[in-house]
Amino acid sequence: DAKTTQPNSMESNEEEPVHLPCNHSTISGTDYIHWYRQLPSQGPEYVIHGLTSNVNNRMASLAIAEDRKSSTLILHRATLRDAAVYYCILRDKDKFYFGSGTKLNVKP
Amino acid sequence: KAGVTQTPRYLIKTRGQQVTLSCSPISGHRSVSWYQQTPGQGLQFLFEYFSETQRNKGNFPGRFSGRQFSNSRSEMNVSTLELGDSALYLCASSLAPLGGFNEKLFFGSGTQLSVL
Repeated sequence: DAKTTQPNSMESNEEEPVHLPCNHSTISGTDYIHWYRQLPSQGPEYVIHGLTSNVNNRMASLAIAEDRKSSTLILHRATLRDAAVYYCILRDKDKFYFGSGTKLNVKP
Repeated sequence: KAGVTQTPRYLIKTRGQQVTLSCSPISGHRSVSWYQQTPGQGLQFLFEYFSETQRNKGNFPGRFSGRQFSNSRSEMNVSTLELGDSALYLCASSLAPLGGFNEKLFFGSGTQLSVL
């Protein structure tokens, strides 16, 4: 089964970069890697996704390992508004596996 | 453009009752998927509907069912409620079927169900 492993929590200082890791050793060749984040009392919101190449958008960057067994979400300058639970998501056959996510705490 | 709307926002039921939750997707989106979120199990996929057809289903008992209407609005039903069904139920919409999962999901704020 496709599953993801993420650290339970991480801490960052405001204005500093944050690297959020995700392991997905059983990923299949056609599975996209998605990242979503969930702020308190809200539904998850899309951050970024990719297949093989590194991806950048206005919110973050996604670095995918060459063997695709791991990926890293990079927030270039963390702000207090980035404090959330970050989920690395894979398709698991016909279902979708969210994992437990990483709770990011940003210190002023 | 309006986002994904879920109603009601909060719901309190007792064991044995049944409940229906509603989800209105973003205009033009034809795929609606449902998720259960609990502190112990995290976010779990329930099922996905596209063009009124259930495409995928997660590992949940038959008490959990859903449907999708021709306007893409979706409802989720839970019968014979159990205490363990207390959770935040989220729905998400996307333009195309989840398939290879190259689609962005747009989530609603969820319905918080409490079963007493």
